[in-house]
Amino acid sequence: DTAVSQTPKYLVTQMGNDKSIKCEQNLGHDTMYWYKQDSKKFLKIMFSYNNKELIINETVPNRFSPKSPDKAHLNLHINSLELGDSAVYFCASSQGKGGGNEQFFGPGTRLTVL
Amino acid sequence: SQQGEEDPQALSIQEGENATMNCSYKTSINNLQWYRQNSGRGLVHLILIRSNEREKHSGRLRVTLDTSKKSSSLLITASRAADTASYFCATSSLGGKLIFGQGTELSVKP
Repeated sequence: DTAVSQTPKYLVTQMGNDKSIKCEQNLGHDTMYWYKQDSKKFLKIMFSYNNKELIINETVPNRFSPKSPDKAHLNLHINSLELGDSAVYFCASSQGKGGGNEQFFGPGTRLTVL
Repeated sequence: SQQGEEDPQALSIQEGENATMNCSYKTSINNLQWYRQNSGRGLVHLILIRSNEREKHSGRLRVTLDTSKKSSSLLITASRAADTASYFCATSSLGGKLIFGQGTELSVKP
């Protein structure tokens, strides 16, 4: 009965590789998010989708491409991984697209680029 | 740009004591939320206070909001070792995204 789930939990890869992180929510929410948390625990929004439509796209390198096949899923694909991409990536969901409602977070994916 | 700044960055107290964390922000907000993050876990929503509210309670949590000073505080009363976590404030403008502060690391010693 997990609300927001992410896979994988850990991802270790070499520079230059392409990788994907998957997220699913079973809360019936219509909005999903990707956040990046750096080593100092600073949490910054990257993308937000509402009903499969991209509504927030922060200044993120275009190596990062989110995809929402349906409103319960939001995946993140990263091309040509760089050392600076190492971080913990969190998926979240909420009801309503304003971003101001309570958000439910997944457990995070710790990405390490070597 | 980062909206919220939290103070202190780290706080260490004994079990049973109260813990107070402060958050300041820069622009007008629709609401302010507090989240907790246990080590190695995702964030968990604690409480939401709207811009027209001044104080809110939830169990051992008390949140205040002063929009004239653009600041909020989170008080945890009678702390327990299980309250050890990082606490983040997050602000939302009308129709906008949620912007998180840098967090306060709370350590409650048994």
